[in-house]
Amino acid sequence: DAKTTQPPSMDCAEGRAANLPCNHSTISGNEYVYWYRQIHSQGPQYIIHGLKNNETNEMASLIITEDRKSSTLILPHATLRDTAVYYCIVRVGMNRDDKIIFGKGTRLHILP
Amino acid sequence: KAGVTQTPRYLIKTRGQQVTLSCSPISGHRSVSWYQQTPGQGLQFLFEYFSETQRNKGNFPGRFSGRQFSNSRSEMNVSTLELGDSALYLCASSLGRGQGEQFFGPGTRLTVL
Repeated sequence: DAKTTQPPSMDCAEGRAANLPCNHSTISGNEYVYWYRQIHSQGPQYIIHGLKNNETNEMASLIITEDRKSSTLILPHATLRDTAVYYCIVRVGMNRDDKIIFGKGTRLHILP
Repeated sequence: KAGVTQTPRYLIKTRGQQVTLSCSPISGHRSVSWYQQTPGQGLQFLFEYFSETQRNKGNFPGRFSGRQFSNSRSEMNVSTLELGDSALYLCASSLGRGQGEQFFGPGTRLTVL
């Protein structure tokens, strides 16, 4: 089973910030939070990841709560091209038995 | 740098046949993972290969197998195809084992009739 819980769908107006929540209440101390997205008919695309601190790159920001039980992916200025399914996953960085388990993700609709 | 490539992109087979899918990882990447994606089950992990050895395996029957070559290219094989094997098969590569930052190919769309 996936170790994360996400809302099945969200809407966001074009140009506004899209805030996608993820619950990972059973996360272990050595597990990272990763975000991917999948645009229709394409392979998933890596967005960002983090362990404890907030992270930012050219695509998005990742805010992780202090207890690490939840996180939020922020797309600062959503465009129509950001319409996709967003997956939040947790995994250990290096572990023999570790697997990436994708949940159902959040289907983000950007509204013009 | 070229991305992950998968061939063929589309494939139609009939029940009972076997199929081989190919994946070429990003140059320098040594780990290749395979996933099956269906509307009902979502993205499911099949297996991971690193240094020509299977390192990790998901919960799929033995009809699903794979291998990795010395140049890190990988193939997966499905024997005795069933209707339920119709899916998008995705390959992802990463620099090393357990790297969460994986780069996915476009997938192979397999249809079993």
